[in-house]
Amino acid sequence: DIVMTQTPLSSPVTLGQPASISCRSTQSLVHSDGNTYLSWLHQRPGQPPRLLIYKISNRFSGVPDRFSGSGAGTDFTLKISRVEAEDVGVYFCMQATQFPHHTFGQGTKLEIK
Amino acid sequence: QVQLVQSGAEVKKPGASVKVSCKASGYIFTRYYIHWVRQAPGQGLEWMGIINPSGGSTTYAQKFQGRITVTRDTFTSTVYMELSSLRFEDTAVYYCARIDYTSGSYTDWGQGTLVTVSS
Repeated sequence: DIVMTQTPLSSPVTLGQPASISCRSTQSLVHSDGNTYLSWLHQRPGQPPRLLIYKISNRFSGVPDRFSGSGAGTDFTLKISRVEAEDVGVYFCMQATQFPHHTFGQGTKLEIK
Repeated sequence: QVQLVQSGAEVKKPGASVKVSCKASGYIFTRYYIHWVRQAPGQGLEWMGIINPSGGSTTYAQKFQGRITVTRDTFTSTVYMELSSLRFEDTAVYYCARIDYTSGSYTDWGQGTLVTVSS
């Protein structure tokens, strides 16, 4: 299975400041169809995860434009341009290239300083 | 709108089995795969298995082979996940989730079902 590794695992951030999370996979996430099925999910305590970004850089419906995704191959990044209070929680990267054996990063806990 | 509604929390003894349901609505049930993902307390997400509601075919993570069975009932648009020979380390929140073909990711999740394995 593809292993997803996130850094950092914890990120204390000041409100209004940027935040960045990295995700690396053990093999290329480029699918034979040409797409790269790398997503970012956000989870608040006691809730299921919700989709933020799909196929590296596409914001899901309703996701604020302060969230952006980038990367290629095996290295990916989620950036929040200006952190707001509602952004706290855990962020997961996820690969769906190796269908159906999807795998997730360990999670990065974003908290306010 | 798409909804995935799961059954309630369960407490089971080691060695027992648990069956969690996931009732889908708001879309054509047979057109989208349903996945099962679990999350142990304070831990990350772990993919367990998938079912094609159209034909009923399944694929499971190697880790759960022999202990997991995912089935579906097309008349009630419900998917079931049964996990047998429960161990303390199976204590987790179990989620069903639907992948959308446009995004290639999980756009819809059930609310989660807490399964506690305790003697």
